[in-house]
Amino acid sequence: SQTIHQWPATLVQPVGSPLSLECTVEGTSNPNLYWYRQAAGRGLQLLFYSVGIGQISSEVPQNLSASRPQDRQFILSSKKLLLSDSGFYLCAWSWTSGNEQFFGPGTRLTVL
Amino acid sequence: AQSVTQLDSQVPVFEEAPVELRCNYSSSVSVYLFWYVQYPNQGLQLLLKYLSGSTLVESINGFEAEFNKSQTSFHLRKPSVHISDTAEYFCAVRGTYKYIFGTGTRLKVLA
Repeated sequence: SQTIHQWPATLVQPVGSPLSLECTVEGTSNPNLYWYRQAAGRGLQLLFYSVGIGQISSEVPQNLSASRPQDRQFILSSKKLLLSDSGFYLCAWSWTSGNEQFFGPGTRLTVL
Repeated sequence: AQSVTQLDSQVPVFEEAPVELRCNYSSSVSVYLFWYVQYPNQGLQLLLKYLSGSTLVESINGFEAEFNKSQTSFHLRKPSVHISDTAEYFCAVRGTYKYIFGTGTRLKVLA
């Protein structure tokens, strides 16, 4: 069976500090991968998606970036965090020709 | 372009009462529709999906949704809710690579 991991589960960072959130998927190969952000009381905002190693599509221009160094690893980064980067970050995967997405447990990021 | 509209941001309902959470979509291509549930501080879990075939789909915990092409709707229903159904519910439609989510409906079940 497939599982998706995210870490850390919670993170408190000062404004201007760097960020690295990691997501890994087990039990499948060549998945489509996604990063979403969920701000308090709001829906899901798609940040990035990837259909293969090194292939990243950005949905929202901002101070975040994503990388996919390995087939089942997806990393969300920032060089300098802003207060507005606070939120709940969700990683998800789907099969290349699949239907539904499967979500990770999320990372709660608080920028102070 | 595809889009999903969930008009109700919050729905309070008493325990054991029926509930309907509304979802309308816009799509010019074949439609794949989903309902996800999110409990506090957790990821989203798939509740049910419509891919093709029967327009009425059911989940294992008593929810059902009906795909209505003429009304472009995929409303979620449960005949009798429980306290444990309190959560946020998201409707979504699948695009080529992306999934478009509604803004969510917070279901609050009252004792």
